[in-house]
Parts: sequence; structure tokens; C-alpha cells
Amino acid sequence: SQQGEEDPQALSIQEGENATMNCSYKTSINNLQWYRQNSGRGLVHLILIRSNEREKHSGRLRVTLDTSKKSSSLLITASRAADTASYFCATEGNTPLVFGKGTRLSVIA
Amino acid sequence: DAMVIQNPRYQVTQFGKPVTLSCSQTLNHNVMYWYQQKSSQAPKLLFHYYDKDFNNEADTPDNFQSRRPNTSFCFLDIRSPGLGDAAMYLCATSLYLDEQFFGPGTRLTVL
Repeated sequence: SQQGEEDPQALSIQEGENATMNCSYKTSINNLQWYRQNSGRGLVHLILIRSNEREKHSGRLRVTLDTSKKSSSLLITASRAADTASYFCATEGNTPLVFGKGTRLSVIA
Repeated sequence: DAMVIQNPRYQVTQFGKPVTLSCSQTLNHNVMYWYQQKSSQAPKLLFHYYDKDFNNEADTPDNFQSRRPNTSFCFLDIRSPGLGDAAMYLCATSLYLDEQFFGPGTRLTVL
């Protein structure tokens, strides 16, 4: 299975701090994607990083990918209360996206 | 705005009573997906349509069926819902197998 596994399962930080979430996967991939899900809602695509890319930025988001270690990280800088949500990594390889179990981020104002 | 719409947002059905969930999109994407997500779990892919080609995941129960009558619409049919089928059902679309755009989901309750 190429399912991503996020670490930690839950993270609680103060507003203004940085949040780092990690994702590990098992098989070769074409790309890795990060999604956010607010409670009881659909998922929102955050960023896609392809297998030949090592780092990507989007606003306050920074994603890294290390294909040799089969791992990725998502960094949210200067967190806000509105960033409170679950964050999922998802890998795309021989099959469509397979989601990890997610990291529940709580940002305390 | 281009979007993915799911109806209804909340669906209550009785044990064993067939139910249909619908999804429509204005993005003109060629791929449509159905996911099942139970509380505090990852979304689980049930099946997807790549254009008109139906792709069923190996572990999707036979109780779940799907129809895609045209590019814009896709339906999820649950023939005989059980208590274990209570979940959030998410529809998503993509252009080929790139980033996916999700609808708000339909929360299914089985009584």
C-alpha cells in the first residue's frame, strides 16, 4: 500500500507559532498532495509536489519531499486560529489518491 | 464559480432502504471520485470514473454502485444500507489524475 501516514496524529500550538506535520509513505509515487479539512466539511487542496521536486511554497505553506526516505513535511508558518483543521497527505502513484489518517491541528488564540 | 455540488447535504435512511447520493460539477473535469469517510478516519476511495470508464476499488462492497450519465453528474447508490455504512460521502473531481476538488459531502445516517 502507498498510504501516507501522518505524524503527529494531533498537534496543539499557540497562534503565531509554526506547525510542522510529517507524512511517510511506502511505495513510489508520481506526486504527493496535502489537503485540509475543517470539521464536517469537504477537503480543500493545499499544495501538490511532484516526485522530481524537493520543495514547494504557497503563501505560509512550505512542503518538502524526500523520495529517498519516502517522506514529506508540511510547514505552516505564523499559524492562525483559522488554520485549525485536519491535514491529510495523499499520494498518487499507480492508483488515484490514497489518503493518510491525518493530523489534527489546533491553533489556540 | 466553478464548483462541486453534492445533494443532499444530510441524508437519513432506514436499514436496508436504498439510497442515492448525487454529485454535480461545473469544472468540466473528466475524472469523478466517490470517497467514504468515517469519523476521525481518512477518506477511503470507493470508485472513480475516468471519463466513462468505471474503476472500482478492490475492497468496495457490492452494496455500493455508481452511475455517471454524463460528464457533469455522478451518483452513488447504496442498495441496502447497513448501520456500518453511516458516514460522510465525499465526491471529488480532477482533470486527469491531478489535484482533486471536493464537494462539501453528504452525511448519511442509517436508522
